[in-house]
Amino acid sequence: DAEITQSPRHKITETGRQVTLACHQTWNHNNMFWYRQDLGHGLRLIHYSYGVHDTNKGEVSDGYSVSRSNTEDLPLTLESAASSQTSVYFCASTPQQGAGELFFGEGSRLTVL
Amino acid sequence: GIQVEQSPPDLILQEGANSTLRCNFSDSVNNLQWFHQNPWGQLINLFYIPSGTKQNGRLSATTVATERYSLLYISSSQTTDSGVYFCAVTLRSGGGADGLTFGKGTHLIIQP
Repeated sequence: DAEITQSPRHKITETGRQVTLACHQTWNHNNMFWYRQDLGHGLRLIHYSYGVHDTNKGEVSDGYSVSRSNTEDLPLTLESAASSQTSVYFCASTPQQGAGELFFGEGSRLTVL
Repeated sequence: GIQVEQSPPDLILQEGANSTLRCNFSDSVNNLQWFHQNPWGQLINLFYIPSGTKQNGRLSATTVATERYSLLYISSSQTTDSGVYFCAVTLRSGGGADGLTFGKGTHLIIQP
C-alpha cells in the first residue's frame, strides 16, 4: 500500500546542532507539507512544496529549510536547533493543490536540550 | 488569515452517548477536512467535506459553506473515539497556497 513515512520517530539533540527530519511518500503526490504541533497552538505550517524544486514558506518557517529534489521526499532541516523547536513534526501530502484530501505521516518527536 | 474556531474545546461523555462538534470558519473555503488524533498521536482522516453531508459508520459530517460552519456527529460513542478532533480548511481565494489551517481542536474523552 502507498504510504507516507517519517524518520526518525524520536530524536533528542543539543542546541546548535543541525537536524534533518525525513519524509517519504509513495503516492506520487506533487504536494507535500511540514507542520509542527505544540500545546496551545495546534498544528502550524512550516514549509510546503508543490513539486520538484518548488519550496514555499509557511506560517512558522524561521529556522527551518526544505528541499525537493524528487517527488517522493521532502526533508526538513533545522540549521541550528533551538529549544523553541522542541515539538512534534508532521509531514503530509495531497495530490491536489489547494483542495483534495491531506494525508499525514505518523510524526517525529524532536527534543532540543 | 482565515480563522478556524472549534467548539467545545473539551467534552467528556459516557460510552454510548452522542455528540456534536462544531467548526466555524471566517472566510470562503475550498477544502475542509476533519481529523481524529488518537492518544498515540496519529492524525487520521475522517472526512474530506468542503460542502454537503457524508456518513461513515457511526460518524457523519455536514458542511454548510454559505454559513461558514461544519459539524461532526459521533453517535453511540466508544472509548476508542477518545482523542482530539481537528477541523482544517484552505481559503478559496488563496487557492490553497497556504496549505490547511487548523482549528485548535476538541478534546473528547469517552468514559466506560
